This record gives sequence, C-alpha cells and structure tokens, in this order.
Amino acid sequence: NAGVTQTPKFQVLKTGQSMTLQCAQDMNHEYMSWYRQDPGMGLRLIHYSVGAGITDQGEVPNGYNVSRSTTEDFPLRLLSAAPSQTSVYFCASSYDRERYEQYFGPGTRLTVT
Amino acid sequence: ILNVEQSPQSLHVQEGDSTNFTCSFPSSNFYALHWYRWETAKSPEALFVMTLNGDEKKKGQISATLNTKEGYSYLYIKGSQPEDSATYLCAFGDTGTASKLTFGTGTRLQVTL
Repeated sequence: NAGVTQTPKFQVLKTGQSMTLQCAQDMNHEYMSWYRQDPGMGLRLIHYSVGAGITDQGEVPNGYNVSRSTTEDFPLRLLSAAPSQTSVYFCASSYDRERYEQYFGPGTRLTVT
Repeated sequence: ILNVEQSPQSLHVQEGDSTNFTCSFPSSNFYALHWYRWETAKSPEALFVMTLNGDEKKKGQISATLNTKEGYSYLYIKGSQPEDSATYLCAFGDTGTASKLTFGTGTRLQVTL
C-alpha cells in the first residue's frame, strides 16, 4: 500500500492564481480531510469528507473548495491564491470518524507571493 | 472553536530521563482523544486513540492515560532516547462536531545525549 499520497510536494504561486492540491489513498478509507499547518498553530481543519459525494467545511474553509467523486481521491482547490494561504497542507484519511487513527500524507508546502 | 491546550510547549531532556506532557480538552461531549508523534520533515503518525474514561494505552516506552471527566490526558515517555525527539500532538473529537478533530499546538521534545 502506498498509503496517503500528495502532489506536488512544493509549489509557488502568485497572488490570484488557482491550483489544485492532489490527495489519494489506497486503504479504502471513507473519511478524508485537509489540514493546514502554520507556525505556532495546531493543524487546522479546512474541509473533510465522510465518503464519496459528501463533503463539509472545517474550521478554516474560506478560499478553498473540495470534491469527492471517488473513495480514493480528495483534491483541494485554491480558487484565487492569497499570501495568507502560504502554509503546509496535509491530507489525512481514516477508516471512520474520530475513533480511528488518521493517516497523514507527506504534505505540500505552498508559498503564495 | 474548541479549546485544546498542550503543555509544556517545549521540553529539553537528557537521554534516559522520563518525561510527561499534558493535553487539556473540554470535559463535555467527549468522543475521542488522539495522540500523534510528528518528527521534523515527516508527517504526523498516530500513537494512540482513546475513547473511554480511564483508558490507558502503551506502545513500547510510551504510554498515555485519559480522564474525560476532568478533561485531560497525559503522555509519558520512560527512559527518553534521542530518537524520541519530535513534536507530540493531541487531538480531540467531540460528539457535537461529527467527524472533526481539533488539534493542540503540540509539545516539542528534544532529547540529547
């Protein structure tokens, strides 16, 4: 199993550009989520999905869109990048809700200039 | 936004020392408490998921306890080794925010020879 994979590993965007961060898992997990990690702050939930076709907002959803057309993939779209979105982004998956450990991808380091 | 606090923020111990950290969370609507270990340049890895008051979990020299009535969990490391150097994160899930975990900011542990 590859586990949770994320692409790209690094990305530099200019303000106003859009892009999609890719996330895929091969563990047949129903639950997937996106977090951002900023210095001095814990991992903050952006969006999550409890299964294909079902998504919901987390703590910091503004400026991001998600969709879940398959169990395996959960892409995160930045609609119009802003410097405040400079962060490290982690995708995670788990078997079910909060009672099961989350498996994290390797992260994407995004810089918006 | 739920308040999950970890203390201390950072800790520097010598090899062989035993140490412990605290995670404080709301005592109402408890659903689950997670501990993760996060090494520099890697992604978080799950240590424990605890769901019942009084739970005790152990993995090697690392153990954790849970008190849901007073809203805290302790993580213990017995006989710290340099390879234990990492940031230790806790995450809280409550019954009112289905499928969302709130992470603390972590305790950064450095173990030196």
